[in-house]
Amino acid sequence: NAGVTQTPKFQVLKTGQSMTLQCAQDMNHEYMSWYRQDPGMGLRLIHYSVGAGITDQGEVPNGYNVSRSTTEDFPLRLLSAAPSQTSVYFCASSFSETALNTEAFFGQGTRLTVV
Amino acid sequence: QQQVKQSPQSLIVQKGGISIINCAYENTAFDYFPWYQQFPGKGPALLIAIRPDVSEKKEGRFTISFNKSAKQFSLHIMDSQPGDSATYFCAAIQGAQKLVFGQGTRLTINP
Repeated sequence: NAGVTQTPKFQVLKTGQSMTLQCAQDMNHEYMSWYRQDPGMGLRLIHYSVGAGITDQGEVPNGYNVSRSTTEDFPLRLLSAAPSQTSVYFCASSFSETALNTEAFFGQGTRLTVV
Repeated sequence: QQQVKQSPQSLIVQKGGISIINCAYENTAFDYFPWYQQFPGKGPALLIAIRPDVSEKKEGRFTISFNKSAKQFSLHIMDSQPGDSATYFCAAIQGAQKLVFGQGTRLTINP
């Protein structure tokens, strides 16, 4: 079972470059989200989606774009990379809010360095 | 602002001891409180969770204690083992799947 798959695992960008972090899930989950993990800050929500065609901002959305054209995929775009975006990025998915099980399943993360 | 505050940031416990990690929250609308465990190089994974209508939940060596009036909850790991060494995150959810995480606790169990 693949679960939540993130690519790439590692990436180095130069300031000003753009890139897309890929996230795919094969569990038919409605909810998908992107977090960034920084030391001492926990995981902070960047953007989330409650279903195909619907996205919304989280706690730290600036500098990032998302779209959700299919249930399976939820890519995160960095428009113009900045050193402050150096972080580990995690994608997560979960069942609908009406389910009793509200566990979020996380991918293995993308470690991004912006130089 | 940090909606869920977690302490301590790091914790060292001897094998066989009890590990205790504490969290406090402000938003009384939170209705689900999970704990996630993260090993190096991996994504977080659900460890145990509690709803605010119960005061304690136990799964094996892991117990959540919940104090609704104080808006606090804690994770207790009994008989801590070296394999429990990981980073632990408390979290809270209100309604639609917007997990709010604490800052994390790096737990080290010395053999």
